Amino acid sequence: AQKVTQAQTEISVVEKEDVTLDCVYETRDTTYYLFWYKQPPSGELVFLIRRNSFDEQNEISGRYSWNFQKSTSSFNFTITASQVVDSAVYFCALSEGNRDDKIIFGKGTRLHILP
Amino acid sequence: SQTIHQWPATLVQPVGSPLSLECTVEGTSNPNLYWYRQAAGRGLQLLFYSVGIGQISSEVPQNLSASRPQDRQFILSSKKLLLSDSGFYLCAWSVPATFLVYEQYFGPGTRLTVT
Repeated sequence: AQKVTQAQTEISVVEKEDVTLDCVYETRDTTYYLFWYKQPPSGELVFLIRRNSFDEQNEISGRYSWNFQKSTSSFNFTITASQVVDSAVYFCALSEGNRDDKIIFGKGTRLHILP
Repeated sequence: SQTIHQWPATLVQPVGSPLSLECTVEGTSNPNLYWYRQAAGRGLQLLFYSVGIGQISSEVPQNLSASRPQDRQFILSSKKLLLSDSGFYLCAWSVPATFLVYEQYFGPGTRLTVT
């Protein structure tokens, strides 16, 4: 069965600090997909990244980076030099990939960036 | 480019009243469509998904129903609202999977308060 665990319910850091959001997943499939979404106070979920299980390369996009480790079933998200605008709830998600493309979301991590 | 619309943005309804939330997608054909609910301070719960016109799958038995009368239109309904139906309702779409599973893109959401 699929499962996504975001153990950090809430994190607060001071602006300009680096912060890592943890995500651990469970799946029996060898082919699967991982996602991160950002939900700012406005409520709309914003897609950040998709990662395929057969591609373990880490990715960097500006101040955002993602570390995918199949050996530990983790897909962690790091924000470097955090800014107040990064304050949001961040969701990690998993899809095993079938006709309906259902995505299972973790419970989210609420990130507060303090000025 | 693709866009997804939801309305209304906010809604306050008395217990026992009917509900109709609408979601439409522009700029794509034959999308997969999804309805999620997010209770206050909680994660996302998948309610319904659809892979085509008239094809609806329910994830959680409850007081709600969904319909897809047109390719890019997805409607969430209830005949009689309960207090527990309060929450933030999000519609999402994705490109149907072929060799890859694609990310879901979310609408702005409808905040429903049942009084």
